[in-house]
This record gives sequence, structure tokens and C-alpha cells, in this order.
Amino acid sequence: EAQVTQNPRYLITVTGKKLTVTCSQNMNHEYMSWYRQDPGLGLRQIYYSMNVEVTDKGDVPEGYKVSRKEKRNFPLILESPSPNQTSLYFCASSAHRGAMSGYTFGSGTRLTVV
Amino acid sequence: GENVEQHPSTLSVQEGDSAVIKCTYSDSASNYFPWYKQELGKGPQLIIDIRSNVGEKKDQRIAVTLNKTAKHFSLHITETQPEDSAVYFCAASIPGANSKLTFGKGITLSVRP
Repeated sequence: EAQVTQNPRYLITVTGKKLTVTCSQNMNHEYMSWYRQDPGLGLRQIYYSMNVEVTDKGDVPEGYKVSRKEKRNFPLILESPSPNQTSLYFCASSAHRGAMSGYTFGSGTRLTVV
Repeated sequence: GENVEQHPSTLSVQEGDSAVIKCTYSDSASNYFPWYKQELGKGPQLIIDIRSNVGEKKDQRIAVTLNKTAKHFSLHITETQPEDSAVYFCAASIPGANSKLTFGKGITLSVRP
């Protein structure tokens, strides 16, 4: 089944403790992206990747890092999480550069930073 | 950059009625307009999309219309059913190196049985 898999689904952590949210897709998509979803703000792009070793900032990149060492994986790294990063996170992938064929989203990771 | 706005923020309809959700976009260069449905506890799922060279597209009970002059596009759902209850996001994409999707804030549609 074609899908984007995120782990974990739920995570509670403390301020300053480094964490990684994994994302993997099995569709051989070139384009991958991370979004965060907050009430009243919709979906905002954090980082995106056009292909292996090619990443760039989205609209809200502060406090986040990403890497794209393999085509299928695109982990999101929070080096020193803070409470304002409490959010619902989605990884997405697309067959074409950008979005002209639509995104496939993962099921989401709900992160709480206390 | 692109700015996408959705109206209204919530919508409640009676089962069997039609629902219309409207979005406006700011950048006339945008050429791709998808709609996503997000059910509780799940990620957004693409339900229909339209490109700027097309004015209308239908898929069973759902349709999308695009007015490039006015820079707005709408999602139409006919014969609504309780399973249509969800959050709906519109989005727009400008062609280019990133071609990212810029999303509206979402609308919660409730279909009353």
C-alpha cells in the first residue's frame, strides 16, 4: 500500500530534550515536506526537500532541522524543543517537484513539550 | 508569497443538502488548487484538484470551480452525508523551484443527520 509513515504518533517530552520524528514513504517520491498544524493557523510548512541531500526552509523553520540522506526518509529533528513547538506535525510527499500532483500525508505526530 | 483564505470557518448543513466552501488566493501566478479532507485523527487526504487551465472539475458528488479573474475557487458537495463531516482545506501552488502548497486555515463541515 502506498503510504507515508510517521513515528511516533504521540510524543510527550520535556523542554530541551532532543527528539526526532521519523518519516518514510514507499512511493519513490522525490519531494517531501514537513508541516505543522495549529488551531486557527491551518497547515504551515516547516522544511521541504526536492531530492536526496537537497533541503530548504519553509515558512516556519526556526527550531527545526531536517536531513534527506535517502530518498524514502525525511526525519524532523528538534534539537532543543520548547513549549511553543507543541503541535500536530505532518510529513507529506509528492511525485513531482512541489505539488502539481498533490501531496500524500502521513497520519500525523502529536507532540507535547512541557 | 501566496495567501489563501477560506470562508466560512465552520459550516453546518442538513443531510442531503449541498455544501459550498469558498477560498480566495492572492497570487495570480498560482496554477494548481487542491482540496483536502481531514477526518478526526488522520492526515489530510486529497479529494479533488483543479489546474488553472480548467474552470470546473467533477468527481461524483464533489466538484471544484475556479474563477481566475476573481482569484477564487470553491468546493461543492452535493447530497451531503454524515461521513462528509470533516475539516476541509483548500490550497494553492505557484509554479517554481519550490512549488509548495499554501493552505487555507480549514473549515469544519458538520452534516446533521
